[in-house]
Amino acid sequence: GQNIDQPTEMTATEGAIVQINCTYQTSGFNGLFWYQQHAGEAPTFLSYNVLDGLEEKGRFSSFLSRSKGYSYLLLKELQMKDSASYLCAVIFRGSQGNLIFGKGTKLSVKP
Amino acid sequence: DTAVSQTPKYLVTQMGNDKSIKCEQNLGHDTMYWYKQDSKKFLKIMFSYNNKELIINETVPNRFSPKSPDKAHLNLHINSLELGDSAVYFCASSPLGGQPQHFGDGTRLSIL
Repeated sequence: GQNIDQPTEMTATEGAIVQINCTYQTSGFNGLFWYQQHAGEAPTFLSYNVLDGLEEKGRFSSFLSRSKGYSYLLLKELQMKDSASYLCAVIFRGSQGNLIFGKGTKLSVKP
Repeated sequence: DTAVSQTPKYLVTQMGNDKSIKCEQNLGHDTMYWYKQDSKKFLKIMFSYNNKELIINETVPNRFSPKSPDKAHLNLHINSLELGDSAVYFCASSPLGGQPQHFGDGTRLSIL
């Protein structure tokens, strides 16, 4: 199978830093995405990693290790509006560009 | 301007009925998708489609059929609705062979 695992829920405090991990099957890996989804809304694109390393985009950064089948999304200076689900998604070779999503991590930011 | 739009936003209907959900994108993308998000918020691909090829997730019942009148539209038709079809259905689009995907706001389908 093409299992993608991420924690179900996380809680963090406003102003803090939180790291959301994602692990996936390495066979056939062709790219990894992070999406944010607020309750009742559409998923929105956050980041894309295909090579090892850290991609930084404002308060959000995403890291990838292809050999370990591991990624994380790092959120800095947390704000209340960051409370949402964060979805890890992977493209595998032969999937015709289709994304395989993890079950999402629901992040709650508290004052 | 809305990039990917779906109608209706809410759909409440009875078991056994046939219904359609419409999707349109104005991004000029070549590939469109349909996803199902269940009550546990798990987002699963149902179909992807470009002008040349329909990719079907083999777990999708054949009661579900995508119909594309042109490159900017991919509608989802569902026959003989069942209780388990209750979910949020998202349409998305992307450049051909490319990413990222842009999602519509979803259609909340409830089967009575």
